[in-house]
Amino acid sequence: GENVEQHPSTLSVQEGDSAVIKCTYSDSASNYFPWYKQELGKGPQLIIDIRSNVGEKKDQRIAVTLNKTAKHFSLHITETQPEDSAVYFCAALGGGADGLTFGKGTHLIIQP
Amino acid sequence: DAGVIQSPRHEVTEMGQEVTLRCKPISGHDYLFWYRQTMMRGLELLIYFNNNVPIDDSGMPEDRFSAKMPNASFSTLKIQPSEPRDSAVYFCATQRGQGTEQYFGPGTRLTVT
Repeated sequence: GENVEQHPSTLSVQEGDSAVIKCTYSDSASNYFPWYKQELGKGPQLIIDIRSNVGEKKDQRIAVTLNKTAKHFSLHITETQPEDSAVYFCAALGGGADGLTFGKGTHLIIQP
Repeated sequence: DAGVIQSPRHEVTEMGQEVTLRCKPISGHDYLFWYRQTMMRGLELLIYFNNNVPIDDSGMPEDRFSAKMPNASFSTLKIQPSEPRDSAVYFCATQRGQGTEQYFGPGTRLTVT
């Protein structure tokens, strides 16, 4: 089955700086890579996703890149703001799988 | 749509008691997933259903855990008897079709004393 590794587990950045979270996956047949944001006391919520036929996708201050050869994908947040503080999860959909395999999460802290 | 609904939001119970967690999926979603979240292990998939049929329950930790989906609008996760190590946040998530976005409920925070 699929295995997803996520780094770092905690990331602290100054407000206004950029943040990058990285994930690797094991199943070369994986074809869908979503990112979820979880705020305190809430369930994870999808913020951006990418499919394996695309190398990069951007939505305002958030972007995701995918390197299929190396089997890794990254989340980039630019001009970070206090409301970006949360736990972020990457996930991958393995070949033939019905559901997602999640990384362990990154606690992003935005320092004022 | 109201999104995925879970109840109760918080549950505190004593060791040995039976606990039942409930989930109402988004209408039209044919997949339903139960996850457990802890600091140590992150998000763990316990079991999932497709069209009300359990497909994979390999993540269910022990026979003390059971899940049902009697119809397309309702699912339960039961723990009997509960133990302190079952303390966690339990999420229900649903999706429409294979390999699509999963929508999570707000979770049930379970504390077993």
